[in-house]
Amino acid sequence: AQSVTQPDIHITVSEGASLELRCNYSYGATPYLFWYVQSPGQGLQLLLKYFSGDTLVQGIKGFEAEFKRSQSSFNLRKPSVHWSDAAEYFCAVATGDTDKLIFGTGTRLQVFP
Amino acid sequence: DADVTQTPRNRITKTGKRIMLECSQTKGHDRMYWYRQDPGLGLRLIYYSFDVKDINKGEISDGYSVSRQAQAKFSLSLESAIPNQTALYFCATSDRGLTYNEQFFGPGTRLTVL
Repeated sequence: AQSVTQPDIHITVSEGASLELRCNYSYGATPYLFWYVQSPGQGLQLLLKYFSGDTLVQGIKGFEAEFKRSQSSFNLRKPSVHWSDAAEYFCAVATGDTDKLIFGTGTRLQVFP
Repeated sequence: DADVTQTPRNRITKTGKRIMLECSQTKGHDRMYWYRQDPGLGLRLIYYSFDVKDINKGEISDGYSVSRQAQAKFSLSLESAIPNQTALYFCATSDRGLTYNEQFFGPGTRLTVL
């Protein structure tokens, strides 16, 4: 069965520091992978997605993610974090036959000034 | 105006009450979904609908029912609410296509069952 693991429940970084949020997936075929962000009191917003092709994908708000098939990973990165990036981040995988999404448990990012 | 709206945004109710959460969309999408979010568990799929006559159970459908009144409307009902249904509920939509299509989420409904 498909699954997504986000091993870090809570991460704290200083503003201006680099960020990497980890995501590992389990899926037999080539996955469709996503990162969503949920700001406090808001719905989910898509940051970026990977379907095929270039394994380094660029998203909104300066985020990027790299698909590594050998490691079954899709880690999210940002070179310099801003205070407004404080939010909860969800990695998700789509099943191949439908549009159903399977979400990880999320990583809460706290940013200190 | 928001493309995916949910009403109400917040609701407090008592055990045993019937509750309906509503979702409307103006994106013209065929597919609609209901998720619940619990701390530490992420989002889990309750029901999904690929068109008005196609409704399917998701991962955690027990205790819930849905109605797709029109292409643009998808309601989630709790026939007899219980405290462990306290959660944040999200509606989402996606277009139909040959490949995967992005889901667009509403702002969520926070439900508390006392």
